Amino acid sequence: GAVVSQHPSRVICKSGTSVKIECRSLDFQATTMFWYRQFPKQSLMLMATSNEGSKATYEQGVEKDKFLINHASLTLSTLTVTSAHPEDSSFYICSARGAPGLAGTGELFFGEGSRLTVL
Amino acid sequence: GDSVTQMEGPVTLSEEAFLTINCTYTATGYPSLFWYVQYPGEGLQLLLKATKADDKGSNKGFEATYRKETTSFHLEKGSVQVSDSAVYFCALSGQAAGNKLTFGGGTRVLVKP
Repeated sequence: GAVVSQHPSRVICKSGTSVKIECRSLDFQATTMFWYRQFPKQSLMLMATSNEGSKATYEQGVEKDKFLINHASLTLSTLTVTSAHPEDSSFYICSARGAPGLAGTGELFFGEGSRLTVL
Repeated sequence: GDSVTQMEGPVTLSEEAFLTINCTYTATGYPSLFWYVQYPGEGLQLLLKATKADDKGSNKGFEATYRKETTSFHLEKGSVQVSDSAVYFCALSGQAAGNKLTFGGGTRVLVKP
């Protein structure tokens, strides 16, 4: 099946620094990618939707200047957590959807997740 | 807006026991329904899905039936194994929400030998 890969899987950074997380679709072109945040023992919260070549659409309550999303190509989306603080520590998960007819006719595939710890 | 409610865990079972995880939803129209599984240290994987009323999704011994009348999509497995220990998420994708996925809170299942 289709594969979505995230990198890094774990990152520890100091407060005030910026961290970039990559999400790649390895064997299909992802027209849409989604970024989620998962708090401990809780569900996934959709942060934003990104379409290749256009600005991301952020969910209510998510700071777009804090969480910068770039979907520069059909196989890569990046999430940059700017000026990270301890409260940004979380598990970030991306998912990718292929065009209809590819990768399961629009089925979503999830990355392994990236655990961010801000000291 | 759309919402998904599933039973809280953790659910602890013995091997070969019967597993049921309840899931109910609120959505306009006719959403598609999904169960995702997250094994320890891994990302979410689609376990099964159903796209219309009375459809039954099945995979790896798990089943769930799309019940429009009760707005439910309960997950069942007749005989669980230790390898089924994971977190299970019920989710829906509704046209009103632009086909975005809305997840339930997740249910942690622990199967003991």
